[in-house]
Amino acid sequence: SQQGEEDPQALSIQEGENATMNCSYKTSINNLQWYRQNSGRGLVHLILIRSNEREKHSGRLRVTLDTSKKSSSLLITASRAADTASYFCATGSGGSNYKLTFGKGTLLTVNP
Amino acid sequence: IAGITQAPTSQILAAGRRMTLRCTQDMRHNAMYWYRQDLGLGLRLIHYSNTAGTTGKGEVPDGYSVSRANTDDFPLTLASAVPSQTSVYFCASSKQNAGAGNNEQFFGPGTRLTVL
Repeated sequence: SQQGEEDPQALSIQEGENATMNCSYKTSINNLQWYRQNSGRGLVHLILIRSNEREKHSGRLRVTLDTSKKSSSLLITASRAADTASYFCATGSGGSNYKLTFGKGTLLTVNP
Repeated sequence: IAGITQAPTSQILAAGRRMTLRCTQDMRHNAMYWYRQDLGLGLRLIHYSNTAGTTGKGEVPDGYSVSRANTDDFPLTLASAVPSQTSVYFCASSKQNAGAGNNEQFFGPGTRLTVL
């Protein structure tokens, strides 16, 4: 069963605009991660935010985490056509195995 | 090699045949994982291994088996393939240092498997 659920399922924007994707989850977490997948390729880790953090930045990426609402958002600023990809959130619940549970993803299309 | 490699890249298989998907990492990561990715269902964990010599079941383990004889290799075997196992399979690994909380996963390029 999916722990994280991304919203929207698909998002289409123009180059230069900002893109915001949301993730909701159900149970308590140790950390939440965002991954990117280009068509036909494996997933690539983008950013990790721990449960005691509220916001994190990496280049044009900004991630927020609200543990009271069990939600996170990924903001990509000044989007580029090369940002076109699927974006997944994944939650880690600790324990001894650090398994991640992935959502179904948001397909972002950035039109040039 | 650097990172994770998977073989084959793609395969068409007759139902009932046995198939092993190979996965090798050179990062000395403790943990390894197998996922399948299906349209509309996202990534689902099949099996995982926290360290060499141990394995565990994920969300969809039926019809699959794994072994972890050493740190680098984590093969996934379909003993008798069925059409519902048509999917894209991804292998991943993570450092998994206990207590570090840093469990980001590194993915291979995937194997596209079609079972007819």
